[in-house]
Amino acid sequence: DTGVSQDPRHKITKRGQNVTFRCDPISEHNRLYWYRQTLGQGPEFLTYFQNEAQLEKSRLLSDRFSAERPKGSFSTLEIQRTEQGDSAMYLCASSSVAEGRNEQFFGPGTRLTVL
Amino acid sequence: AQSVSQHNHHVILSEAASLELGCNYSYGGTVNLFWYVQYPGQHLQLLLKYFSGDPLVKGIKGFEAEFIKSKFSFNLRKPSVQWSDTAEYFCAVSRGSTLGRLYFGRGTQLTVWP
Repeated sequence: DTGVSQDPRHKITKRGQNVTFRCDPISEHNRLYWYRQTLGQGPEFLTYFQNEAQLEKSRLLSDRFSAERPKGSFSTLEIQRTEQGDSAMYLCASSSVAEGRNEQFFGPGTRLTVL
Repeated sequence: AQSVSQHNHHVILSEAASLELGCNYSYGGTVNLFWYVQYPGQHLQLLLKYFSGDPLVKGIKGFEAEFIKSKFSFNLRKPSVQWSDTAEYFCAVSRGSTLGRLYFGRGTQLTVWP
């Protein structure tokens, strides 16, 4: 399967713990996006990268959230000191700037539950 | 602020009925428009997209959408739905010049009864 992959698929943690999620984009895609989706809502943008550069961050992304894409390939999203309100599905998507269009392909998501 | 509105949150149809799901957006500049579908237990998949040209676009599985610029709308249609179309449908918009984030509507859950 050459699609976007995310790991883990599910994460249960206690409030106050740190968690880290990984996303592997489609191999030739140079843009990588993170979104968050809560029940009954559409995905909300968090941040995106072009290669290793983080080009935009949403105001939703508090100081407890940090994302990296150190070699322009996979990306990690870390949440420090998790809160119950962080419980959501975290989605990763990728696209190719070379194609000049913003067709984003999504991974299966990581479902985070904060107890 | 950029927003995308999907007015129908839950639509229930019988097989063979016609479908139209509404989507309106608030951004006034150049836009790229998308419909994504999420089948039960699966991830978001692109159903169709509009970048430029013919405002009537055709996607997979017999779906089509019409971009009406004057109405800021991009409604999804299918003439005859099937039970397998049961899914959640999301409209999404991006600004054409930045190729950046997608703004999503809150989704429409479609249930098709056999």
